[in-house]
Amino acid sequence: GNSVTQMEGPVTLSEEAFLTINCTYTATGYPSLFWYVQYPGEGLQLLLKATKADDKGSNKGFEATYRKETTSFHLEKGSVQVSDSAVYFCALSGDYKLSFGAGTTVTVRA
Amino acid sequence: DTGVSQDPRHKITKRGQNVTFRCDPISEHNRLYWYRQTLGQGPEFLTYFQNEAQLEKSRLLSDRFSAERPKGSFSTLEIQRTEQGDSAMYLCASSLVSGTDTQYFGPGTRLTVL
Repeated sequence: GNSVTQMEGPVTLSEEAFLTINCTYTATGYPSLFWYVQYPGEGLQLLLKATKADDKGSNKGFEATYRKETTSFHLEKGSVQVSDSAVYFCALSGDYKLSFGAGTTVTVRA
Repeated sequence: DTGVSQDPRHKITKRGQNVTFRCDPISEHNRLYWYRQTLGQGPEFLTYFQNEAQLEKSRLLSDRFSAERPKGSFSTLEIQRTEQGDSAMYLCASSLVSGTDTQYFGPGTRLTVL
């Protein structure tokens, strides 16, 4: 079946540091891949997506590239801000439903 | 532009009671999904509808859970005879049938069973 494994947290960074969150997946077929973000007390917000191999999704300074050969979709941001503190979820779509990783908690300190 | 809304945002109930949650999807979206999220975990799929038809139910959805989408618009999720293990965040999402089928989530209903 489909599954997603993402880097365990928590991750604590200083402002302006580089952020990487690793995500690998197992899937049949060619799923779309997503990163969602959950701020404290809020629901999931779509951060970015990629629908086919070698696609790069980007939004708010975050980027992730769909790597079919390594079955990965790592999230990166070059310079984080305090406002980026949140839980980040990697997900893939298959058979109309999303399969999520366990989430990575990121805390950015001023 | 209204997103997905859920009501109530929080529900505290005693074990054995029934609870019902409502989800209003984005207006033109014809797919609606329910997920459950427990502390420290990612959301897990429960069920989904295309228009008014319930097309798939997870094995996580025991007989005490029932979901409806009677007119293909809003949906309700009912839990009968609640148990402490039902305590979780219940998330609703909607999407438009398309190539990517991107799902947009509501704020969730946090259920606490005492």
